[in-house]
Amino acid sequence: EADIYQTPRYLVIGTGKKITLECSQTMGHDKMYWYQQDPGMELHLIHYSYGVNSTEKGDLSSESTVSRIRTEHFPLTLESARPSHTSQYLCASSRTGGSYNEQFFGPGTRLTVL
Amino acid sequence: GQNIDQPTEMTATEGAIVQINCTYQTSGFNGLFWYQQHAGEAPTFLSYNVLDGLEEKGRFSSFLSRSKGYSYLLLKELQMKDSASYLCAVLDSNYQLIWGAGTKLIIKP
Repeated sequence: EADIYQTPRYLVIGTGKKITLECSQTMGHDKMYWYQQDPGMELHLIHYSYGVNSTEKGDLSSESTVSRIRTEHFPLTLESARPSHTSQYLCASSRTGGSYNEQFFGPGTRLTVL
Repeated sequence: GQNIDQPTEMTATEGAIVQINCTYQTSGFNGLFWYQQHAGEAPTFLSYNVLDGLEEKGRFSSFLSRSKGYSYLLLKELQMKDSASYLCAVLDSNYQLIWGAGTKLIIKP
């Protein structure tokens, strides 16, 4: 069983608010990822990290920021939420090395911005 | 550009067999994944192929042909709980996962 946690699971907030979506994993994985996914649509990579103090932007342009101060923690912050940010946000992690890079996903945060 | 194609939706009958196809064009190839995603839930890993051929895991099998840029996921003895989206993803030359949009599989009694 993959041990990757996301909080909150559901969030409804007003436009302009600052929010932080939390993601933690207890598997000691170096790599962590944030995806955005709308219902019935593909996963879009918005940020990833190869380890502590490493953060990169993904393919999807995003107004969010991330930090990786500890291996197990990879929070995502929206400075000023807008209705266009309404979506599901999935956090994932994978190990470095080995035969392949299977990604383990957290349960997701479903964000609604009014 | 990088592209992964899979059918949007498929319907099958409980107890039957279904094959979900995936074709890809990516910059490099370091393996292909299949994930299952139930509605409103996170994806869960099903299989990984990096060499040509068939990998069997219980009721699920995955096939890869690198020369054709093609894979399929075969589900046997379908159960109602198999109703889900099935995502094909390719690990490119930079070891980044490129995701398909997924195939929604509907199982009818």
